[in-house]
Amino acid sequence: AQKVTQAQTEISVVEKEDVTLDCVYETRDTTYYLFWYKQPPSGELVFLIRRNSFDEQNEISGRYSWNFQKSTSSFNFTITASQVVDSAVYFCALGGGADGLTFGKGTHLIIQP
Amino acid sequence: DAGITQSPRHKVTETGTPVTLRCHQTENHRYMYWYRQDPGHGLRLIHYSYGVKDTDKGEVSDGYSVSRSKTEDFLLTLESATSSQTSVYFCAISSPTGELFFGEGSRLTVL
Repeated sequence: AQKVTQAQTEISVVEKEDVTLDCVYETRDTTYYLFWYKQPPSGELVFLIRRNSFDEQNEISGRYSWNFQKSTSSFNFTITASQVVDSAVYFCALGGGADGLTFGKGTHLIIQP
Repeated sequence: DAGITQSPRHKVTETGTPVTLRCHQTENHRYMYWYRQDPGHGLRLIHYSYGVKDTDKGEVSDGYSVSRSKTEDFLLTLESATSSQTSVYFCAISSPTGELFFGEGSRLTVL
């Protein structure tokens, strides 16, 4: 069975601080994909990134960066110079096959002005 | 916009009544999913479909059934709603590269 653990239930930081959201996963598959989604207060689920298990290169997109470490089964998400608009619930997910994704329980990120 | 619409968006019903949620896609994707979201549980898979009339159970399928008679429509039915099925329900489609794109959600309250 697959499992995704987001140990941080809630994080609160002041605007412009950097913040890292942790994600640890378990799978027996040798090929898999990892994902991050954002759910702002309006409630929609927004896809942020997909990472192939064979590609351990870090990825940066603007203020967002992702660190994938297969050795520790982690796929952490860092927001640099956080902004109030980053306030949301962030979900890490694992899968990519026909049977959908397994999601973590989410981390509620609060950016205080 | 992933071309997914859910209906109804909000529904209040009473225990024991049947409820059907509809998911409609305009993307012609093969795979469709129903998830429920509850505080402290994240998103959990209820059922999924890999084609017309082809469906399978997810992690929390008890009390739910699904049907897919057309590629574009995936229906989720609660035969006899219970208070534990109060939740936000999300439909999703899968892109060819594996990421899911979600509808806007349907908030169901069972009194």
